[in-house]
Amino acid sequence: GAVVSQHPSWVICKSGTSVKIECRSLDFQATTMFWYRQFPKQSLMLMATSNEGSKATYEQGVEKDKFLINHASLTLSTLTVTSAHPEDSSFYICSARGGEAGIGTDTQYFGPGTRLTVL
Amino acid sequence: RKEVEQDPGPFNVPEGATVAFNCTYSNSASQSFFWYRQDCRKEPKLLMSVYSSGNEDGRFTAQLNRASQYISLLIRDSKLSDSATYLCVVKRARGSSNTGKLIFGQGTTLQVKP
Repeated sequence: GAVVSQHPSWVICKSGTSVKIECRSLDFQATTMFWYRQFPKQSLMLMATSNEGSKATYEQGVEKDKFLINHASLTLSTLTVTSAHPEDSSFYICSARGGEAGIGTDTQYFGPGTRLTVL
Repeated sequence: RKEVEQDPGPFNVPEGATVAFNCTYSNSASQSFFWYRQDCRKEPKLLMSVYSSGNEDGRFTAQLNRASQYISLLIRDSKLSDSATYLCVVKRARGSSNTGKLIFGQGTTLQVKP
């Protein structure tokens, strides 16, 4: 099946620093990528949806200036948490949806997640 | 009210037991329905899609009742390896303001004990 990778798998940073998380689709072209956040014992919450080459669409309550999303190519999307604070500590998961024959355009493939801890 | 509601559990059952999870969703325009499994500190993985006619995959049976906006998952002959959190997931129809995004329930935790 399709593979999505994330890097780094975990990161610890000091409060006030910025952290970039990469999401790559390894064997298909992802026209749409989704970024989720999951706090302990809670559900995955969609943060934003990005389509290649256009601005991301953010969910209500998610600050677009704090969570910068770039989807510059069909295989790479990045999420940058700017000026991270302890309350941003969470599990960040991306998913990618394909847009060509052979890869279901309705199927989302999830990355393994990135665990962010802000001290 | 959450768009997808599940009993968080935990459900503690012995090996070999049959266990059922329920889920309700509030948006009648929801198009597709799924059960995902999530292990601790891992990403969710698709377990099965759910259809109105009901569908079965080995020990797992899923049912959808559109009229009641209710989804269920039945696990028969539970194994230790079934211990995980089971997420009820609903997909909205694509439209001008939607992208067919997935809406996740909180998840139901299952612990199968020897």
